[in-house]
Amino acid sequence: DAKTTQPNSMESNEEEPVHLPCNHSTISGTDYIHWYRQLPSQGPEYVIHGLTSNVNNRMASLAIAEDRKSSTLILHRATLRDAAVYYCTLRSTLTFGKGTMLLVSP
Amino acid sequence: KAGVTQTPRYLIKTRGQQVTLSCSPISGHRSVSWYQQTPGQGLQFLFEYFSETQRNKGNFPGRFSGRQFSNSRSEMNVSTLELGDSALYLCASSLVRGGTGELFFGEGSRLTVL
Repeated sequence: DAKTTQPNSMESNEEEPVHLPCNHSTISGTDYIHWYRQLPSQGPEYVIHGLTSNVNNRMASLAIAEDRKSSTLILHRATLRDAAVYYCTLRSTLTFGKGTMLLVSP
Repeated sequence: KAGVTQTPRYLIKTRGQQVTLSCSPISGHRSVSWYQQTPGQGLQFLFEYFSETQRNKGNFPGRFSGRQFSNSRSEMNVSTLELGDSALYLCASSLVRGGTGELFFGEGSRLTVL
């Protein structure tokens, strides 16, 4: 099964950009990359998804490598409310793993 | 509109018992997936249902089972509970299966096995 690999944790300062990487080297050609985040004591919430092209929405941007074997979630200006566990997943397999815990300092 | 509703929110069982958890998806959503979340293993996929049929299954023993009803509501069952089954069980619904189908998660059912 295709799976994803993410760093266990990352730190950022408030109002600085954050780049959260994800490796999915066994992705199939038609599989969508989804990102979710989980705030403390809540269920995960959708952030963004993409297939091949870079994507932007009000929450974040998603940069997808040309070979699609990796992607990066970009938070343009981190806030304290962005402190959460971020998961990338391949929509066809729904494997989430442990995600990346993002710590944001004031 | 109402979000994904999971019941019960908390429950305590003893080893050897069985448990049934319920998930009501967002109205109009036909895809429901289930996950087990533990500190050690993170968020692990259990199974996915679409139109009352199991479409995808994670790597869990046969003690874990589920079903989906014609109104898209879903239940999962765990038989012969073990201590290691203590976890937060999350359900997510989606308008479509796969591809662009954004997942909407419930708040989970926290199971403690004593």
